[in-house]
Amino acid sequence: SQTIHQWPATLVQPVGSPLSLECTVEGTSNPNLYWYRQAAGRGLQLLFYSIGIDQISSEVPQNLSASRPQDRQFILSSKKLLLSDSGFYLCAWSVRAGVDQPQHFGDGTRLSIL
Amino acid sequence: GQQLNQSPQSMFIQEGEDVSMNCTSSSIFNTWLWYKQDPGEGPVLLIALYKAGELTSNGRLTAQFGITRKDSFLNISASIPSDVGIYFCAGYLTGTASKLTFGTGTRLQVTL
Repeated sequence: SQTIHQWPATLVQPVGSPLSLECTVEGTSNPNLYWYRQAAGRGLQLLFYSIGIDQISSEVPQNLSASRPQDRQFILSSKKLLLSDSGFYLCAWSVRAGVDQPQHFGDGTRLSIL
Repeated sequence: GQQLNQSPQSMFIQEGEDVSMNCTSSSIFNTWLWYKQDPGEGPVLLIALYKAGELTSNGRLTAQFGITRKDSFLNISASIPSDVGIYFCAGYLTGTASKLTFGTGTRLQVTL
């Protein structure tokens, strides 16, 4: 069966520091991969999605970037964190074949910026 | 961007009661998905709907894809304390492959 792993689960970082969140998927090949951010008590905002290695689409102009160095690895990064980057970050995957496939989420990373 | 209007925003019900929530939009959706999110965790897929009029059950949960393709509802029968959480609808708009649109969520609280 397929599984998705995100780490770390919790992160506290000072303003201006760099960021690297990692997500890996097991048990499937060529998945679509997604990064979302969720503000407290709010819905999910799509940040990036990827249909293949080094193929990244950005949805919202911001202080973050994403990379996909391997088929089942998706990384969310920042060179300099802002206070507004605080939130709950979720990685998700879906089957690439066909259309409108359900997305499956990891357990998230709680990021607090001080 | 496109919004899904989800209602109610929150519900406070007693154990054993049935629950109903819905999502509506002014746009046509190809797929409707229902997720549940527990505190501090990622959303978990409950039900996926692919055809207008489709009615699908998963245990005590039942969801329907509206005939107009602009709405969907989720019912939970005989609620139990572990049903507590936030329920999100989500859907794929026509012409927006790979990009899910999410509702604003319904927070469900269940008392004994």
